[in-house]
Amino acid sequence: DADVTQTPRNRITKTGKRIMLECSQTKGHDRMYWYRQDPGLGLRLIYYSFDVKDINKGEISDGYSVSRQAQAKFSLSLESAIPNQTALYFCATSVGGGMGTDTQYFGPGTRLTVL
Amino acid sequence: QKEVEQDPGPLSVPEGAIVSLNCTYSNSAFQYFMWYRQYSRKGPELLMYTYSSGNKEDGRFTAQVDKSSKYISLFIRDSQPSDSATYLCAMRMRTGNQFYFGTGTSLTVIP
Repeated sequence: DADVTQTPRNRITKTGKRIMLECSQTKGHDRMYWYRQDPGLGLRLIYYSFDVKDINKGEISDGYSVSRQAQAKFSLSLESAIPNQTALYFCATSVGGGMGTDTQYFGPGTRLTVL
Repeated sequence: QKEVEQDPGPLSVPEGAIVSLNCTYSNSAFQYFMWYRQYSRKGPELLMYTYSSGNKEDGRFTAQVDKSSKYISLFIRDSQPSDSATYLCAMRMRTGNQFYFGTGTSLTVIP
């Protein structure tokens, strides 16, 4: 089974709709991240969380919100979707804890299209 | 200026060729350097990890870091069609919470 899972894998929605993307992990990592990936722009950080009570904005948090329901679950919401939020969204985890060797492990991605 | 610059390619090589992928960066505080491989419609997967300057080899892959030039490279020897993917470099500082990614280089290895 995959260590980091995302649901749904694909979603088409309309402008103005509320959308939730979910991420679950079995790696036991404390840190979780949400990124979006756009052609030519690479991976951009939306939000990150170091534990259940710690939520931080990333580079492009406007128009998004998150919820860390448990150590293993981190959800991303688009309160009112707009077309320029069409992108590939990735959840990632890392061990954290100040370890210098901290690296990220990614889920399979959610392809979101906003019409 | 972006923190991490990476030529997007695309790069197309014949099978068996040596491939060189590169990233430059502007922040001298970066200490940890990673290469990720991303197949089409998949999430990035960690390929190589290096700390500070020097080389690291893993099978057909060699990661090289030149901190004096703020330049990192990934070499793929005896490239295979299965190496066809997008390769992303990433880096982070000793302290701090953020990973900085390049935009990725698309590689195709032609049989």
